[in-house]
Amino acid sequence: DTAVSQTPKYLVTQMGNDKSIKCEQNLGHDTMYWYKQDSKKFLKIMFSYNNKELIINETVPNRFSPKSPDKAHLNLHINSLELGDSAVYFCASSAQLAEDTGELFFGEGSRLTVL
Amino acid sequence: TQLLEQSPQFLSIQEGENLTVYCNSSSVFSSLQWYRQEPGEGPVLLVTVVTGGEVKKLKRLTFQFGDARKDSSLHITAAQPGDTGLYLCAGVLTGTASKLTFGTGTRLQVTL
Repeated sequence: DTAVSQTPKYLVTQMGNDKSIKCEQNLGHDTMYWYKQDSKKFLKIMFSYNNKELIINETVPNRFSPKSPDKAHLNLHINSLELGDSAVYFCASSAQLAEDTGELFFGEGSRLTVL
Repeated sequence: TQLLEQSPQFLSIQEGENLTVYCNSSSVFSSLQWYRQEPGEGPVLLVTVVTGGEVKKLKRLTFQFGDARKDSSLHITAAQPGDTGLYLCAGVLTGTASKLTFGTGTRLQVTL
């Protein structure tokens, strides 16, 4: 069984559309994250949730809205998609908060292409 | 400029060669991790270092955390094609809450 699973793996859509990426972890972790990896492979944190509560919200446009219905799920909804949103989005989870040297377990990524 | 700069950005070597990847910052980190990412997959943790000057070994990989906890290095001995991938350092800044900041990445290719 995949520890951190994201769907869909690939997403191709037109500018202006709204799309969602789902993430589930079966590791029993309390903390989940969304990261964005750009074309230069730079990984940047977007959001972090601990026990369904938002604890990190980096300077991400309001068009991005995370939702955590329970601690095993963290979904990402994106409104009014723009060309610059094209990237690979990674979901991750950890048993401990990063400040406690928690190891991050990543999903396989969701490649979003906005045309 | 990024908080954690890695060098080199790209490295192409032959099997059997040794190499070192550097991760540098002007900031102090409470801990530092190294991940390897293969194409089409998410990063996988290799090691975590927490003490200044700490050295950890993982088979042919040797990781070192700088004395001042501002930098780290990854040394690979006798590289193999299976070592090919994107190597990422990631650190938690002292005094920040739960934010793991990733480095700029080093893409390594090992050929036969």
